[in-house]
Amino acid sequence: AQSVTQLDSHVSVSEGTPVLLRCNYSSSYSPSLFWYVQHPNKGLQLLLKYTSAATLVKGINGFEAEFKKSETSFHLTKPSAHMSDAAEYFCVVSRGRNTGFQKLVFGTGTRLLVSP
Amino acid sequence: GAVVSQHPSWVICKSGTSVKIECRSLDFQATTMFWYRQFPKQSLMLMATSNEGSKATYEQGVEKDKFLINHASLTLSTLTVTSAHPEDSSFYICSASTPIAGITDTQYFGPGTRLTVL
Repeated sequence: AQSVTQLDSHVSVSEGTPVLLRCNYSSSYSPSLFWYVQHPNKGLQLLLKYTSAATLVKGINGFEAEFKKSETSFHLTKPSAHMSDAAEYFCVVSRGRNTGFQKLVFGTGTRLLVSP
Repeated sequence: GAVVSQHPSWVICKSGTSVKIECRSLDFQATTMFWYRQFPKQSLMLMATSNEGSKATYEQGVEKDKFLINHASLTLSTLTVTSAHPEDSSFYICSASTPIAGITDTQYFGPGTRLTVL
């Protein structure tokens, strides 16, 4: 079964400092991995997606993530945080082929707090 | 592109009544739509998957007679919470997926509907 573990429920950074949101995955085959962001009272927005192409994936708003098979990780990073980055971030994996690869399994989320 | 809307954005109803939530893909045709439930400060849990013109597939533990899903067209899916009770209060989110873009496992999410049952 596919699963993701987000290692931090909350991450606090100062504006202008780097962001690191950690995610480890478990999958019986090469997965598709995603990062979504959810701002308060808004829908989820796709930040980036990995699908077995380049291991370093660049997304929107300056975010990127690196797929590391040996570490089963897919951490999200950004060089310099903005106040507008404060939101909930979800690491997501596609569920197994036998049950329909479109189904997504969400991590528990990491709330990013950005202070001035 | 790939915009998904939901209506209403929030609804309050009395216990025992039914509530219908609409999910629309505004600028693309969605062959598959998904319904999720999100409890406060928790992650999204998939409730069901619906393909246009066929019956929805419900996840284990989700009552199909309570959460009625209809996917009548390629741009509209509805979720009806029947005989709602306070424990059904939650944030309901839909998403839509299409193979037209060549990416069949990317889902585009609606803004969600907050349901409060009194």
